Amino acid sequence: QKEVEQNSGPLSVPEGAIASLNCTYSDRGSQSFFWYRQYSGKSPELIMSIYSNGDKEDGRFTAQLNKASQYVSLLIRDSQPSDSATYLCAVNTGFQKLVFGTGTRLLVSP
Amino acid sequence: DVKVTQSSRYLVKRTGEKVFLECVQDMDHENMFWYRQDPGLGLRLIYFSYDVKMKEKGDIPEGYSVSREKKERFSLILESASTNQTSMYLCASSLGTGYNEQFFGPGTRLTVL
Repeated sequence: QKEVEQNSGPLSVPEGAIASLNCTYSDRGSQSFFWYRQYSGKSPELIMSIYSNGDKEDGRFTAQLNKASQYVSLLIRDSQPSDSATYLCAVNTGFQKLVFGTGTRLLVSP
Repeated sequence: DVKVTQSSRYLVKRTGEKVFLECVQDMDHENMFWYRQDPGLGLRLIYFSYDVKMKEKGDIPEGYSVSREKKERFSLILESASTNQTSMYLCASSLGTGYNEQFFGPGTRLTVL
């Protein structure tokens, strides 16, 4: 069983819609969770971090964490074509290391 | 802003060559990491370092070694490059002591012929 799982997509949404990206993880002791955005040919860029259950909002982005269900999600409101990228979920499983999912490709159509 | 730089964006080497990839961070971070990223396989950790001269193997260390002589610099060495080491190599750093956000350099796309 993979430690961090994401649907590879592509997830297609029209411009202005809400994009919902999901991630599940297997290590119940995980404490911190991150979302990265990666444009094609570029390196990952950190966009959100979340440490406690509930929602965390930053601009058009909201991260949601449910530790009981071992589930973390990223909502992107008012999606723009420039949001088209691969979104990586990462989980800290101990000793400073992160385990990354393989990413969900998001396509926002004008 | 954290800045992580890598010595080359693109590199082409021959099979059997010794290859050095260098990474420098300017934010006094404790931890540094080397990953490779391949289509369908995601990011895989090769080595990481949590202090000067300290290193730990990641998930795929075979065929690689690392060096961290100064806090800001972490080098990845391919002792004898092989075609299956053609990949995107990404360096990252994190502050450490509970702050696990990793910040990535721009990446080096290495092709081994």
